[in-house]
Amino acid sequence: AVVTQEPSLTVSPGGTVSLTCGSSTGAVTSGHYPSWFQQKPGQAPRTLIYHTYNKPSWTPARFSGSLLGGKAALTLSGAQPDDEADYYCLVVYGGDQEVFGGGTKLTVL
Amino acid sequence: EVYLVESGGGLVQPGGSLRLSCAASGFIYNNYWMAWVRQGPGKGLEWVANIKGDGSATFYGDAVKGRFTISRDNAKNSLDLQMNSLRPEDSGVYYCVGANSWGQGTLVTVSS
Repeated sequence: AVVTQEPSLTVSPGGTVSLTCGSSTGAVTSGHYPSWFQQKPGQAPRTLIYHTYNKPSWTPARFSGSLLGGKAALTLSGAQPDDEADYYCLVVYGGDQEVFGGGTKLTVL
Repeated sequence: EVYLVESGGGLVQPGGSLRLSCAASGFIYNNYWMAWVRQGPGKGLEWVANIKGDGSATFYGDAVKGRFTISRDNAKNSLDLQMNSLRPEDSGVYYCVGANSWGQGTLVTVSS
């Protein structure tokens, strides 16, 4: 299976943007337990969203997860310069294989 | 607070072996699946393997199946990754992941 993400996106400060995560096998559903991770240069990734829309305690409220048009989506509402980073989604297949998307480079400009 | 600290990375020749370890604290360890995720130089994230909380189930990515073995010791709150028959394409930073948290990673370089 191949997981696809937008290679790059740009959002204005204070703006809203949605990053998507699609699957070569068909629609992404809650049964694929999609997760989202943020990685800034030189840092380890951190978990933003797990199991479609759940947030760890450290995830800012401006981030939300959902399913949209057969894909998983990460929506950022009210973008801040500090949100500039690479974002990766992860999809679970059949409970025994997990595949990361290629990542989206988000620019806040 | 969750802490995950990896160790064991280093330089190894192609065909060699290396064992990575991860020390976990700050959560009820045996309640959680644990995983290893790697990142090649300048590349994206790649899922390597994961293991169920009680150690009864393990799963591997196709790139490492048959060469790597994930294991855990719930008495010591530790996670290991035994890597055999290493290839240059196995080079990268290896992250220990669990309870929605990530370690800082340990660097593996496979080169002659």
